[in-house]
Amino acid sequence: GAGVSQSPRYKVAKRGQDVALRCDPISGHVSLFWYQQALGQGPEFLTYFQNEAQLDKSGLPSDRFFAERPEGSVSTLKIQRTQQEDSAVYLCASSLGYRDQVSPLHFGNGTRLTVT
Amino acid sequence: QKEVEQNSGPLSVPEGAIASLNCTYSDRGSQSFFWYRQYSGKSPELIMFIYSNGDKEDGRFTAQLNKASQYVSLLIRDSQPSDSATYLCAVKLKTGANNLFFGTGTRLTVIP
Repeated sequence: GAGVSQSPRYKVAKRGQDVALRCDPISGHVSLFWYQQALGQGPEFLTYFQNEAQLDKSGLPSDRFFAERPEGSVSTLKIQRTQQEDSAVYLCASSLGYRDQVSPLHFGNGTRLTVT
Repeated sequence: QKEVEQNSGPLSVPEGAIASLNCTYSDRGSQSFFWYRQYSGKSPELIMFIYSNGDKEDGRFTAQLNKASQYVSLLIRDSQPSDSATYLCAVKLKTGANNLFFGTGTRLTVIP
């Protein structure tokens, strides 16, 4: 498919478990973003990659959150020692440009994480 | 103060009417403005973007930007039940990274 692909679609974790969420962006898209969306809220920025470089991680809520994109394509968001407040939909988005003005984000379908 | 503010709604309009969705932003240096539509349980999908003052039309959708008032709106003409969704306003700041700041979204219901 030509869109942003995320897996798994749903993830249930017990509190304290580690989870890894995968994002496969649109081929050729340089920029990759992770967002967290709580129920009834808009997406909240977590982190941004330009190719393999993580240029902004200011939105990561704690040091339990870690993201990587080692080859500038697929990205993984890892959450260690999950807590109930981590329950949310995690959205990955990619865009074509570097810092051009109107490069829109294309979102994947998200991973719904539930921590019990 | 959040970077992007939207009325959460819900906003209900009858089929065929004009739906007006509003958004304000706090950073006067903001560059680009986006409207995304999100159906329940789905990911956001881009409807329109605008970066110059004035109106931009695309089919039944018109985006309006007023940088002096730090205000952006989306008008949906001839509203259809299929337009029922949450509409997210997003803003790209002039400085900083490429990321967008999103509002909480306005839930629109078009009543047949």
